[in-house]
Amino acid sequence: DAMVIQNPRYQVTQFGKPVTLSCSQTLNHNVMYWYQQKSSQAPKLLFHYYDKDFNNEADTPDNFQSRRPNTSFCFLDIRSPGLGDAAMYLCATSRDKNQPQHFGDGTRLSIL
Amino acid sequence: GESVGLHLPTLSVQEGDNSIINCAYSNSASDYFIWYKQESGKGPQFIIDIRSNMDKRQGQRVTVLLNKTVKHLSLQIAATQPGDSAVYFCAENFVGGYNKLIFGAGTRLAVHP
Repeated sequence: DAMVIQNPRYQVTQFGKPVTLSCSQTLNHNVMYWYQQKSSQAPKLLFHYYDKDFNNEADTPDNFQSRRPNTSFCFLDIRSPGLGDAAMYLCATSRDKNQPQHFGDGTRLSIL
Repeated sequence: GESVGLHLPTLSVQEGDNSIINCAYSNSASDYFIWYKQESGKGPQFIIDIRSNMDKRQGQRVTVLLNKTVKHLSLQIAATQPGDSAVYFCAENFVGGYNKLIFGAGTRLAVHP
């Protein structure tokens, strides 16, 4: 059974139209992460939550925000998607710091 | 550093051969390393990890070797199978207060019958 679940698997939005991607986990892990992965590239960390503490990467655009209403769910909000934001977005969890991260299968975002 | 490559290096092997995928990591203070396998359309899947106080760790058909002197990590896959075809990423845990993984550029493994 999938332990990190991302919905939807494919998302299409229009240029500039806000979009929200969701992630849920059944592992009860403390840490949840959002990564962006473009074609033939490695995943790039956008931000993470350690429990309720939000940690933003310095180079993550202001256009990207996140919410974690409870332990199980985490959302990625893109306020005004541009063409350059088309990518695979991966959610991951880990029990604690310095522990393996477990990934979902991602949401592929397309921008029209 | 962060991966920025557009073209993944490819390792082609015959089914049944052993595969060795290499990775150079960037930070001598990194204390934990993970190998991930990513199949097309899926998220990275954990294969094996190793901490910096070890130089070798074995799993089922896989072995990870760590050489801290030259900041080198390798993944050995024994008796490679068609199902091993995927992109393999090494990742280093950057020591800096939280668990930040820095991914290598990735290597595509192509297994031929």
